[in-house]
Amino acid sequence: NAGVTQTPKFQVLKTGQSMTLQCAQDMNHEYMSWYRQDPGMGLRLIHYSVGAGITDQGEVPNGYNVSRSTTEDFPLRLLSAAPSQTSVYFCASSPEGFLTDTQYFGPGTRLTVL
Amino acid sequence: AQSVAQPEDQVNVAEGNPLTVKCTYSVSGNPYLFWYVQYPNRGLQFLLKYITGDNLVKGSYGFEAEFNKSQTSFHLKKPSALVSDSALYFCAVKGGYSTLTFGKGTMLLVSP
Repeated sequence: NAGVTQTPKFQVLKTGQSMTLQCAQDMNHEYMSWYRQDPGMGLRLIHYSVGAGITDQGEVPNGYNVSRSTTEDFPLRLLSAAPSQTSVYFCASSPEGFLTDTQYFGPGTRLTVL
Repeated sequence: AQSVAQPEDQVNVAEGNPLTVKCTYSVSGNPYLFWYVQYPNRGLQFLLKYITGDNLVKGSYGFEAEFNKSQTSFHLKKPSALVSDSALYFCAVKGGYSTLTFGKGTMLLVSP
């Protein structure tokens, strides 16, 4: 199993540009989530999904969209990039997210918005 | 609202000495507690979790954590630190059907 994969690894955007961060998992996990990691702030939840076709907002959802058309994929879309979205983004999956299960993290995407 | 506090930004310890990384939490209802580790330029990796039962939880790489309900703490410990343990450690909590809340992280530096 490849586990959780994320592309790209690095990305530089200009303010106002849009892009999609890709996330895929091959473990047949129902629960997937997106976090952003900023220095001194830990990980903050952006959006999550409890299964195909079901998504919900996390702590910091503004400026981001998600969709979950398949169990495997959970892309994160930046609609109009802003410098405040410069961060490292992690995707994670787990078999049953809401209860007691461990999350498996991807390697991350480092995004810089100029 | 649930929260996690990791009061130390950095912990320094000599190789071979015991280490402790502190974590306290606030949550409604019974807590589910986790420790994750992040090595440079990598994603987070699961170390251990407390769901219920024995207050001392053993995890990967020789780490353990003690759940203390009265002090609302879940400190991470290891009897003998290795240089390779140097990394960023995150404590996380969820209560009931809430999502996971992470602490800000503690950098552990183990010197040879």
